[in-house]
Amino acid sequence: KAGVTQTPRYLIKTRGQQVTLSCSPISGHRSVSWYQQTPGQGLQFLFEYFSETQRNKGNFPGRFSGRQFSNSRSEMNVSTLELGDSALYLCASSRTEKNIQYFGAGTRLSVL
Amino acid sequence: GENVEQHPSTLSVQEGDSAVIKCTYSDSASNYFPWYKQELGKRPQLIIDIRSNVGEKKDQRIAVTLNKTAKHFSLHITETQPEDSAVYFCAARLMTTDSWGKLQFGAGTQVVVTP
Repeated sequence: KAGVTQTPRYLIKTRGQQVTLSCSPISGHRSVSWYQQTPGQGLQFLFEYFSETQRNKGNFPGRFSGRQFSNSRSEMNVSTLELGDSALYLCASSRTEKNIQYFGAGTRLSVL
Repeated sequence: GENVEQHPSTLSVQEGDSAVIKCTYSDSASNYFPWYKQELGKRPQLIIDIRSNVGEKKDQRIAVTLNKTAKHFSLHITETQPEDSAVYFCAARLMTTDSWGKLQFGAGTQVVVTP
């Protein structure tokens, strides 16, 4: 069974631009969560989707948004990029009846 | 909301010694506590988890203990090996049949096992 797939793996953007990251969960998984990982802040929760509905949201500004499609694939969007948005963005999927989250390899975003 | 504190931030141990990482959580309703290991350049992977209805769980050289009264839980690694070198994250979450809270992570512990 294929693991969690995130695309693209690397992105370079400039301040003010917007970016869309994609996450394909493990087949059969209906929950997708997004995290921002930076060296100083660890893993910060962004949001979680289940069956196309946002179930939980972290403490990030409205520039960060996401959605989930009917096939459980998820996207997150960051508008008006700032230098501080440079980070590794990780996606994790889980089955509805299991708590275990399986992580993707992440998308490394660099904002110049 | 839930807040998880993790200590120490770095831990150096000699191969064969034990390593202990401690986490405290703020929300007494949290009932699920996983531990993730992230090797350099790789994705976090679950190594062990515990639910609030048990006090201890073991899996070979790793074990996790939970003290609900004090709201803290710990990861114990015995007979450490160089391949145990990684960043370890604890996390806490409220899980019910119909809903779940967000998974809140600690800041991570960099474990270095020296031969």
